[in-house]
Amino acid sequence: DAGVIQSPRHEVTEMGQEVTLRCKPISGHDYLFWYRQTMMRGLELLIYFNNNVPIDDSGMPEDRFSAKMPNASFSTLKIQPSEPRDSAVYFCASTSGGGAVPGTQYFGPGTRLLVL
Amino acid sequence: QKEVEQDPGPLSVPEGAIVSLNCTYSNSAFQYFMWYRQYSRKGPELLMYTYSSGNKEDGRFTAQVDKSSKYISLFIRDSQPSDSATYLCAMSETGYNFNKFYFGSGTKLNVKP
Repeated sequence: DAGVIQSPRHEVTEMGQEVTLRCKPISGHDYLFWYRQTMMRGLELLIYFNNNVPIDDSGMPEDRFSAKMPNASFSTLKIQPSEPRDSAVYFCASTSGGGAVPGTQYFGPGTRLLVL
Repeated sequence: QKEVEQDPGPLSVPEGAIVSLNCTYSNSAFQYFMWYRQYSRKGPELLMYTYSSGNKEDGRFTAQVDKSSKYISLFIRDSQPSDSATYLCAMSETGYNFNKFYFGSGTKLNVKP
């Protein structure tokens, strides 16, 4: 299995530009998570989906952030307009739910975003 | 105040030492407790998982949960340079939201040869 796939791996952009991060979860997984990691705030959950439906977006910092999951094998996280404080590593993770206990979350390699 | 607190370190120990990593939390509804390991420039990987209170051992690693004190620990025996990484604790509640994890900020561990 290829694991969780994220693209791009690195992104450098200028303030005000639109940024789109992409994620392909592990095949068969029905949960998908978007996290942001910074030195100051650690690893924060932004939003998660179950069966392509957003379940909890309480971690999305503001309206500039949006996430979609049009099908079971693809999700995007969009920042528009981007700001320097959005600079972070963004991780996508997936797991298989349906059990009585939390599933192991498998993380992708992350996208390092730098907003100048 | 964050729901999960973790000393960021860094923690530097000699090879072979016993390492103790800890997290405290404020939400008494947390029932599932995980430890993830993250190597530099990689995504976190699950290391250990425990439910409710008690101990769990896996090789050189032991996870402990003390719900009365809202305190969890990860012990690493005979630490190796390959254990050098950031260790993140994670927790979740029971119920429909149990896949929503709350992570600590991570403790960076360096094991010196």
